[in-house]
Amino acid sequence: NAGVTQTPKFRVLKTGQSMTLLCAQDMNHEYMYWYRQDPGMGLRLIHYSVGEGTTAKGEVPDGYNVSRLKKQNFLLGLESAAPSQTSVYFCASRGLAEETQYFGPGTRLLVL
Amino acid sequence: TQLLEQSPQFLSIQEGENLTVYCNSSSVFSSLQWYRQEPGEGPVLLVTVVTGGEVKKLKRLTFQFGDARKDSSLHITAAQPGDTGLYLCAGALVVGANSKLTFGKGITLSVRP
Repeated sequence: NAGVTQTPKFRVLKTGQSMTLLCAQDMNHEYMYWYRQDPGMGLRLIHYSVGEGTTAKGEVPDGYNVSRLKKQNFLLGLESAAPSQTSVYFCASRGLAEETQYFGPGTRLLVL
Repeated sequence: TQLLEQSPQFLSIQEGENLTVYCNSSSVFSSLQWYRQEPGEGPVLLVTVVTGGEVKKLKRLTFQFGDARKDSSLHITAAQPGDTGLYLCAGALVVGANSKLTFGKGITLSVRP
């Protein structure tokens, strides 16, 4: 099992550009999450999904959209990137009957 | 919003020393998790504590959940350089069929050889 994988590992964007971050998990988990991690702020939940075809807003959803068309994939989109979205983005997944979240290795995004 | 305060924020100690760090909240959680994160990687779960007063040991690491399930401590005995990393606590709150984690800001631990 690869667990949770994220693509790309690192990206540089210019203000106003768009991009999609891909998260994939091979554990057949129902729940998937997108977090951002900033110095001194800890991990903050952006959006999450409780199953295929469903998404919900987390703590800091503005400027981001998500889609869960397939159970194993959770996409995070930035339609018009802003410097404030410079961060490290982590995806996580969780099985239905457990509370442990399994994290991917992260995507480092720099918006100039 | 449930807040988790972790202290101290930074800790630098010599190899072989003991240390205790804390995770406090005014909210009650269904469980509390501790993660360790190394540079360039995602957080990895160390332990989940569920019952008030519960103590769990993981080799030299001892985790305790407060009686009221609002706080937790992590004690490391004879710290080693391999313990260096960011320690995150996360409180789980179950609402209906959903469970969401609220993370603290983390404790950066550096163990000098």
